[in-house]
Amino acid sequence: AQSVTQLGSHVSVSEGALVLLRCNYSSSVPPYLFWYVQYPNQGLQLLLKYTTGATLVKGINGFEAEFKKSETSFHLTKPSAHMSDAAEYFCAVSDRGNRLAFGKGNQVVVIP
Amino acid sequence: DAGVIQSPRHEVTEMGQEVTLRCKPISGHNSLFWYRQTMMRGLELLIYFNNNVPIDDSGMPEDRFSAKMPNASFSTLKIQPSEPRDSAVYFCASTHWGGDTDTQYFGPGTRLTVL
Repeated sequence: AQSVTQLGSHVSVSEGALVLLRCNYSSSVPPYLFWYVQYPNQGLQLLLKYTTGATLVKGINGFEAEFKKSETSFHLTKPSAHMSDAAEYFCAVSDRGNRLAFGKGNQVVVIP
Repeated sequence: DAGVIQSPRHEVTEMGQEVTLRCKPISGHNSLFWYRQTMMRGLELLIYFNNNVPIDDSGMPEDRFSAKMPNASFSTLKIQPSEPRDSAVYFCASTHWGGDTDTQYFGPGTRLTVL
């Protein structure tokens, strides 16, 4: 069964600083990988995804993630944090059977 | 597209009452998922359907929970009787099973409070 590990439930970052959220996955088949964002009192919104092809994936709001098979990782980055990036971020993996396994999430706080 | 629609958005009820949550998936999607989100347990998959058929209900907490999908455009999650520990945000998500990415699209959620 596939699984995802996200370390550090709360992440604080200064406005303008690099945002880095780590995600490591376990999957018995070539994975599909996802990052979702959840703003307060809203549902989860797809930020970006990796399926096949280019390992560096760009998403909405200036975020990107890189699939590294050798490290079983799919870390999310944004060069410069904005106050509007304050939200919870979830990494997820699919075994291509349409079921997703989600990590526990990272609550990002942006410090002015 | 209207996205996934859930109703009600908020529900407050008393312990012992029946609660019914509703979901309309995105048109053309044939897989539907019910999740529960709490501070303690995070995001949990309760049950999912492919082509209106329940595939995996191993996440349903107990017999008080039941879910149905009578047609491709409607699903319900019922709790009877409700208990305070059922208080959570319940999300519905849909996707196109057999597609090439497994991307799930989430509704806005129903915030359930059981007093």
